[in-house]
Amino acid sequence: QQPVQSPQAVILREGEDAVINCSSSKALYSVHWYRQKHGEAPVFLMILLKGGEQKGHEKISASFNEKKQQSSLYLTASQLSYSGTYFCGTELGDRRQLTFGSGTQLTVLP
Amino acid sequence: EAGVAQSPRYKIIEKRQSVAFWCNPISGHATLYWYQQILGQGPKLLIQFQNNGVVDDSQLPKDRFSAERLKGVDSTLKIQPAKLEDSAVYLCASSLDQTGNTGELFFGEGSRLTVL
Repeated sequence: QQPVQSPQAVILREGEDAVINCSSSKALYSVHWYRQKHGEAPVFLMILLKGGEQKGHEKISASFNEKKQQSSLYLTASQLSYSGTYFCGTELGDRRQLTFGSGTQLTVLP
Repeated sequence: EAGVAQSPRYKIIEKRQSVAFWCNPISGHATLYWYQQILGQGPKLLIQFQNNGVVDDSQLPKDRFSAERLKGVDSTLKIQPAKLEDSAVYLCASSLDQTGNTGELFFGEGSRLTVL
């Protein structure tokens, strides 16, 4: 069951904020976030386990709403280096298979 | 620490030919994954190994794809015969997974396959 990401693409100016959403129709065990720059391998950002905890890394944080089976990635005060495609990966409650969404392309302009 | 190594980086073949990709994970990583990433899409899991055993190969097209991980270290993914729709980047990833949960995946640079 592939998670659904929104929006598909977003363009913002340096210093602006962005939110990327990831949702599933099935009960989730965990949500993983990765960023992939053009022509490069995906790079790990963070993992959230069920329980609604929010994690953060500098100006990038994420939340996991277990009741809604949704996760949101928050990018505050965007930097040029944040540009890339963001993928959420989800694991269902009964199996440990990481399934990625189709991605959200983020472009940060100067 | 060396990252996940993959080869070849690029491969162009004609349909119905065969191709093989090699992956050497980070030393000590028990779990190895092969993902297929078609242009503009997210990575799709093909097969997952835990040491040298298969954990999940439910999305591997077994009539043409095969993979092995001998001695629980490096792995080979083979496609025979290739189809046009196999054109994609094949990503290998590894993770430590000591707790039994899926942890951080470390991806290789990928092998880009073009089938003509």
